[in-house]
Amino acid sequence: EPEVTQTPSHQVTQMGQEVILRCVPISNHLYFYWYRQILGQKVEFLVSFYNNEISEKSEIFDDQFSVERPDGSNFTLKIRSTKLEDSAMYFCASRVLDGNNEKLFFGSGTQLSVL
Amino acid sequence: AQRVTQPEKLLSVFKGAPVELKCNYSYSGSPELFWYVQYSRQRLQLLLRHISRESIKGFTADLNKGETSFHLKKPFAQEEDSAMYYCALSETGANNLFFGTGTRLTVIP
Repeated sequence: EPEVTQTPSHQVTQMGQEVILRCVPISNHLYFYWYRQILGQKVEFLVSFYNNEISEKSEIFDDQFSVERPDGSNFTLKIRSTKLEDSAMYFCASRVLDGNNEKLFFGSGTQLSVL
Repeated sequence: AQRVTQPEKLLSVFKGAPVELKCNYSYSGSPELFWYVQYSRQRLQLLLRHISRESIKGFTADLNKGETSFHLKKPFAQEEDSAMYYCALSETGANNLFFGTGTRLTVIP
């Protein structure tokens, strides 16, 4: 089965630094998502992306966050100035079409630790 | 607002025993409900969704609109069922998922 790939698997950064989390969605998928899970808490939706623009975002996804699909294969999440509370597991996901009739495929996650 | 509630953080059952993982939701429209599973050191993956009314790996879940529940059941638990289970909800017309806090199921041999 095809997979969503995320790199790196672990990222450690200093507070205030910028981080970029990378994802390679499944090649024929058109809809892309970022979720995060703070340790011990639930998985939370951050943002969805289609046709080179954000289609939905949550209140967590503030001005410190941005997403980009720079080259047609990668889908990145950038945090401009990391805070301690950004420490979490970040999951990328993709699917072929919109709507929940289509299966959502998740990556294995990037564990971000902000010191 | 808490859309999905999984009241049990931890659940242990013996192999061969029935298992039920509880999920309640809060949504006034017609939700779409899902169960996702995460085995140790593996990625989050879809287990089943209510619209397909399927049974995957022996698990079933019925949407009960009167009780606003979507409990996951299996009549005979297996050791390989040990994992983290997340109930998730999608609102009508939306393409994002709201997850519960998850239940860690341990099946004791």
